Amino acid sequence: AQTVTQSQPEMSVQEAETVTLSCTYDTSESDYYLFWYKQPPSRQMILVIRQEAYKQQNATENRFSVNFQKAAKSFSLKISDSQLGDAAMYFCAYRSGETSGSRLTFGEGTQLTVNP
Amino acid sequence: AAGVIQSPRHLIKEKRETATLKCYPIPRHDTVYWYQQGPGQDPQFLISFYEKMQSDKGSIPDRFSAQQFSDYHSELNMSSLELGDSALYFCASSSRRDFYEQYFGPGTRLTVT
Repeated sequence: AQTVTQSQPEMSVQEAETVTLSCTYDTSESDYYLFWYKQPPSRQMILVIRQEAYKQQNATENRFSVNFQKAAKSFSLKISDSQLGDAAMYFCAYRSGETSGSRLTFGEGTQLTVNP
Repeated sequence: AAGVIQSPRHLIKEKRETATLKCYPIPRHDTVYWYQQGPGQDPQFLISFYEKMQSDKGSIPDRFSAQQFSDYHSELNMSSLELGDSALYFCASSSRRDFYEQYFGPGTRLTVT
């Protein structure tokens, strides 16, 4: 079974600065996807960024980028120019690349605080 | 753009009662997923359906059942409710066109008293 680990229960960052959230995973599969989801106080699950395991290039979405180290099974999220609206719980998630219906396996989450 | 719709948004039940949660996926999405998120926890996968057939099953209690209907909406039926069933229940949907990326609904908050 696949596992996802987030070793930082809480992180804080000053507004306009950069923060990196860590995630490691364990799998024996070669075809898979990794995700970062954001869950603000509203509890809505919002997809932040996606990385396909077969792609060597790190995914980026505006101020959000990842550092995907496949051999090390590491998948960190970097948030640049942090904004107050970035404050939320962030979950790293894994999904098998097999057929439709594959579940998401989440890490324990990292609570990000953005200080003005 | 249309999103995943869940109803009701809030539900209060007593122990041993039955609850039914409904999920309406994004139009043309063929796969539906159910997740349970307890207080202070990460979402846990319960079950998924692809083209109205069960496609994956997680740690769903035997007291729970689910199905996907011909119009692709899904229902999660929960019987003999326990206090520990109090949680936020998410439905998500996906399609092959979008690389099976899962889009989440707003969730149904179930409180069992």
